[in-house]
Amino acid sequence: DGGITQSPKYLFRKEGQNVTLSCEQNLNHDAMYWYRQDPGQGLRLIYYSQIVNDFQKGDIAEGYSVSREKKESFPLTVTSAQKNPTAFYLCASSPNELPGVGGYTFGSGTRLTVV
Amino acid sequence: AQSVTQLDSQVPVFEEAPVELRCNYSSSVSVYLFWYVQYPNQGLQLLLKYLSGSTLVKGINGFEAEFNKSQTSFHLRKPSVHISDTAEYFCAVISPLYDSGTYKYIFGTGTRLKVLA
Repeated sequence: DGGITQSPKYLFRKEGQNVTLSCEQNLNHDAMYWYRQDPGQGLRLIYYSQIVNDFQKGDIAEGYSVSREKKESFPLTVTSAQKNPTAFYLCASSPNELPGVGGYTFGSGTRLTVV
Repeated sequence: AQSVTQLDSQVPVFEEAPVELRCNYSSSVSVYLFWYVQYPNQGLQLLLKYLSGSTLVKGINGFEAEFNKSQTSFHLRKPSVHISDTAEYFCAVISPLYDSGTYKYIFGTGTRLKVLA
């Protein structure tokens, strides 16, 4: 079945470390997104990419970085510059024609905790 | 700027009772509206969407929503809930904000539906 795989499901990071969250999709979608979810705040867009080798900052990109070297993959790196990284991170994808209008497909998320 | 307001952060309801989860949006242009459901420690799943046409939209799991342009609302309803409907529900609107020509989702803050036995 087609879908989005996020790994790991749980991740612990020491302060000052960079960590990378994986997102892989086999839906042949062009557009991919990273969201951060905090209790009571809904979802906030970190980065998005509409095509390979191109990506754009979302609303809260500071302290994060991404790459899009393959259509199927859109990893997110949480850098030491991100002051409050503990959150639930969600990856999503959509076809590029009117992206998002058909609805997003979401992965099952990665819960990152700073220890 | 567009925004989405979910008026209730938590809604408790007894099993087999009806439920309505409220969503209001602000927009000066045509919008596309969505409801997503999130089960604990899972991603979001699309319940239903309104793009155009009939204002009553039916989705999965027996849910439906009605688009009301004059009240700028898109409330989600189910006539009889089950324990398995316990989850968080997000309303979202698409806004053509970015210069790149893509669309941006604006999510509400979510409503936790708790179905009681």
